[in-house]
Amino acid sequence: DAGITQSPRYKITETGRQVTLMCHQTWSHSYMFWYRQDLGHGLRLIYYSAAADITDKGEVPDGYVVSRSKTENFPLTLESATRSQTSVYFCASSNRELYEQYFGPGTRLTVT
Amino acid sequence: RKEVEQDPGPFNVPEGATVAFNCTYSNSASQSFFWYRQDCRKEPKLLMSVYSSGNEDGRFTAQLNRASQYISLLIRDSKLSDSATYLCVVTATPYSSASKIIFGSGTRLSIRP
Repeated sequence: DAGITQSPRYKITETGRQVTLMCHQTWSHSYMFWYRQDLGHGLRLIYYSAAADITDKGEVPDGYVVSRSKTENFPLTLESATRSQTSVYFCASSNRELYEQYFGPGTRLTVT
Repeated sequence: RKEVEQDPGPFNVPEGATVAFNCTYSNSASQSFFWYRQDCRKEPKLLMSVYSSGNEDGRFTAQLNRASQYISLLIRDSKLSDSATYLCVVTATPYSSASKIIFGSGTRLSIRP
């Protein structure tokens, strides 16, 4: 039972480069989410998806792009990475709206 | 005022003690409430949902006070393994607005032997 996985777990990249963080879940959950966690801010929602091909912005979407062509995958792309995007990124999934979310192990991204 | 507020702590209590934290929220339309536990550098894990009637799971009790707009978490007979950061989550339907899923910044709990 793999649950929800993220890759890579650690990534160092340079300013201006494009980076894609992967998220995969095996539960066939409808909802998937991307969060970033920074000291002093807690977890902030970047984007979420209610189903394949349905995505919507969260609290901090600028500089990020998502897609969801398959229910199980929800990649997050930083089109041109900036130092302010250095953070820990968590992917989560949920079976139904307003239900509990289950988190992946996180990706620690450093932008130099 | 933040939409969801928690006392950051740290709460430093002896093993076996009872400890409680609150989480206040500002959106009166909020409908779902959860407590998550997060260990250092790990992902948040669901501790318990918070129902209108309150709920209990072993040593943990969660309560919702809609009139005063806060949820609470009570931990009885605390264990060393309870040391973690506790996050509250408040959600409202529909998800169509970014502000509908709000995590608190967390309360740090440290249990000492």
